[in-house]
Amino acid sequence: DAEITQSPRHKITETGRQVTLACHQTWNHNNMFWYRQDLGHGLRLIHYSYGVQDTNKGEVSDGYSVSRSNTEDLPLTLESAASSQTSVYFCASQDTRGEKLFFGSGTQLSVL
Amino acid sequence: GIQVEQSPPDLILQEGANSTLRCNFSDSVNNLQWFHQNPWGQLINLFYIPSGTKQNGRLSATTVATERYSLLYISSSQTTDSGVYFCAVEDTGTASKLTFGTGTRLQVTL
Repeated sequence: DAEITQSPRHKITETGRQVTLACHQTWNHNNMFWYRQDLGHGLRLIHYSYGVQDTNKGEVSDGYSVSRSNTEDLPLTLESAASSQTSVYFCASQDTRGEKLFFGSGTQLSVL
Repeated sequence: GIQVEQSPPDLILQEGANSTLRCNFSDSVNNLQWFHQNPWGQLINLFYIPSGTKQNGRLSATTVATERYSLLYISSSQTTDSGVYFCAVEDTGTASKLTFGTGTRLQVTL
């Protein structure tokens, strides 16, 4: 069955370190997204991509970057982790018709 | 940007009861979806419903796009229905980008 996989599930890091969260989907979807979920803010869009070599900034992109070198993967990099980036991160994918969005299981990131 | 409001914010039901969750949005939309986040944090897509009515088992959803709202009906609720229900919309100017409401937290008790 097609799926979307995030790794790691849990990560603890220190302020200032670079961190990369992985997202891999086997749906062959062109559209991929990264969201963060925080209490009181719901889900907010960080970055998104409509296909290989395409990346776009979302609502809360400062301090984050993504790259899309193939259809399956959209890694999210925190260039210099800050305590404000402690959150649960969700990756999602969607087909080109822009219909249903499917989420990975999430990564709980703690920046100490 | 588009505003998405969900009500009620919290809901407690006894098993077997029915409920209606509401999602209001501030502008025209291309896409509206409902999600359930279970107590383990997993987000499950329930419906893609930019207009009209759909049913899936005990759950159904209706979107009245012209009046800018959507309803999610849960009938004969079960404890496994507990969690947070999110509505998400894509306005007509933001291709494929969904904006999420802050959710309705549902607790179903025995």
